[in-house]
Amino acid sequence: EDKVVQSPLSLVVHEGDTVTLNCSYEVTNFRSLLWYKQEKKAPTFLFMLTSSGIEKKSGRLSSILDKKELFSILNITATQTGDSAIYLCAGYSGAGSYQLTFGKGTKLSVIP
Amino acid sequence: DVKVTQSSRYLVKRTGEKVFLECVQDMDHENMFWYRQDPGLGLRLIYFSYDVKMKEKGDIPEGYSVSREKKERFSLILESASTNQTSMYLCASSSPDIREKLFFGSGTQLSVL
Repeated sequence: EDKVVQSPLSLVVHEGDTVTLNCSYEVTNFRSLLWYKQEKKAPTFLFMLTSSGIEKKSGRLSSILDKKELFSILNITATQTGDSAIYLCAGYSGAGSYQLTFGKGTKLSVIP
Repeated sequence: DVKVTQSSRYLVKRTGEKVFLECVQDMDHENMFWYRQDPGLGLRLIYFSYDVKMKEKGDIPEGYSVSREKKERFSLILESASTNQTSMYLCASSSPDIREKLFFGSGTQLSVL
């Protein structure tokens, strides 16, 4: 059974801090790893990673994948209160008809 | 921008009622999905569909059914609601070339009393 584990489960930081969120995975016939941000209700797409060692960046957010060690990290620099959200990691398998396995999420709280 | 619209943000139903959750997407996506999200359990796939009138079971289909009569609309049906179906329900869609890149609706918080 595929498994995605995120750590920490929750995190409280002050504005301006840099945070690193972790995601490890065990996914059969691994194809890609995705990060989503969930504020209020709807998760919104952040990154999709398929190749090891290639960093993806969007503003203050960046992510990288290590396919040898089976993990990914999401970095947020100079955090703002608007970064407060649940960050979801998901691993996609090429096996079977559809296998996208989500982690339980990391709840990030950024306090002023 | 892709828009996935769920008909209700909050629903309160009684045990035994038949419940319909509606989802509409406007990007002509072939793939549509229903997830439920519970604290401590994360997102779990209930059903998905790759085409009109096509459906496949996800990880937790028991107690649910779905209907996809039109490409843009995917309905989740609780035939006889039970208290353990109290949850946040999220609909999503994706294109056939990047199936795993999901666009989510805002969710329906269903309470079954």
